[in-house]
Amino acid sequence: DVKVTQSSRYLVKRTGEKVFLECVQDMDHENMFWYRQDPGLGLRLIYFSYDVKMKEKGDIPEGYSVSREKKERFSLILESASTNQTSMYLCASGDTGLVYGYTFGSGTRLTVV
Amino acid sequence: QKEVEQDPGPLSVPEGAIVSLNCTYSNSAFQYFMWYRQYSRKGPELLMYTYSSGNKEDGRFTAQVDKSSKYISLFIRDSQPSDSATYLCASKGGNNRKLIWGLGTSLAVNP
Repeated sequence: DVKVTQSSRYLVKRTGEKVFLECVQDMDHENMFWYRQDPGLGLRLIYFSYDVKMKEKGDIPEGYSVSREKKERFSLILESASTNQTSMYLCASGDTGLVYGYTFGSGTRLTVV
Repeated sequence: QKEVEQDPGPLSVPEGAIVSLNCTYSNSAFQYFMWYRQYSRKGPELLMYTYSSGNKEDGRFTAQVDKSSKYISLFIRDSQPSDSATYLCASKGGNNRKLIWGLGTSLAVNP
């Protein structure tokens, strides 16, 4: 069964900490995405990558960075976590044309205290 | 105006009802249309996808796209409590790398 795996289901971090969220896919997909999901705001794109070492800003990149050193792995980094970054973070991957949309991971519920 | 509009609901129906979920979109270049289902505390999963206009049926689910009115619909027949979830519509143009999402509609099917 093909999968997108996010390293943690739940995380609690302190304000100011550097936070790493990891995502691995086993479908050889070129495209990978990081979203956050908040009630009433839907899915908001943070960053995406269409190739190794390539990245593009999404709609809300401020306070985040990403790394894609290998095709199967896409990491989201919160440089200095803040309480307004408390959210559900979802990683997704998709093939070249995205004809079949994305496959999502199960999500990481991050709480910043 | 968002490129994909979706009424967030919530929608509550009795078991066995026919459910109609709807989205509108504004970008004429959109060619691919998808419906995702998201259970609580889980990631979205692809439920249906269609290319261009027309209907697509899969069991109790029917996806419908009317490009003339820029309207996307998902029908659920004989709804079950297990259908209780948030349903998200998404669209993209032919060469676009990103899906454009609706906000999602929360559905509760009551036994």
